[in-house]
Amino acid sequence: GESVGLHLPTLSVQEGDNSIINCAYSNSASDYFIWYKQESGKGPQFIIDIRSNMDKRQGQRVTVLLNKTVKHLSLQIAATQPGDSAVYFCAEGYSSASKIIFGSGTRLSIRP
Amino acid sequence: DTAVSQTPKYLVTQMGNDKSIKCEQNLGHDTMYWYKQDSKKFLKIMFSYNNKELIINETVPNRFSPKSPDKAHLNLHINSLELGDSAVYFCASSRDTTNEKLFFGSGTQLSVL
Repeated sequence: GESVGLHLPTLSVQEGDNSIINCAYSNSASDYFIWYKQESGKGPQFIIDIRSNMDKRQGQRVTVLLNKTVKHLSLQIAATQPGDSAVYFCAEGYSSASKIIFGSGTRLSIRP
Repeated sequence: DTAVSQTPKYLVTQMGNDKSIKCEQNLGHDTMYWYKQDSKKFLKIMFSYNNKELIINETVPNRFSPKSPDKAHLNLHINSLELGDSAVYFCASSRDTTNEKLFFGSGTQLSVL
């Protein structure tokens, strides 16, 4: 079957440092990739996306990198803040299937 | 105003009962979804509707029956609830089916006792 990401790991980061969350995907036909943030008790919230014709995209304090050769996606968060504490999901989609498949997520915790 | 709202937020019920979860979006989107999130936080798509028509049905037991009376609403009815149905159910919407970003509701935590 299709597989995105790994079992739910935890990343602990010092406040103010940069965070890098990684994700592996297995479907080479995927052409759209998204990162979502899920805070406790809430639904996932869109952070940033990237299409397969790009390898980098930047937002406010976040950067997504896509390496199609090794089917790897990463989310970089600059100057991590307490409000960044959440579970982060990578997700993939492909036009022919019209659906988004989520990875298993990474929990980001911030040390003061 | 909440973009995607679902009710109830919590649902506790006995095995064998029938229950419904309602979802409404005020974003003018054409496509709506139901996702199930298990205790390990894994999110799995269950159904997708586009303009009231079912387009994705991911091998979900037929005890689960979605209904979309109009494109702003997608409800989920579950018959004969089982212990394994306990999870958080999320409704989501997107502008259309071309993989635009999803907007999620805040979830319905279903506990089957």
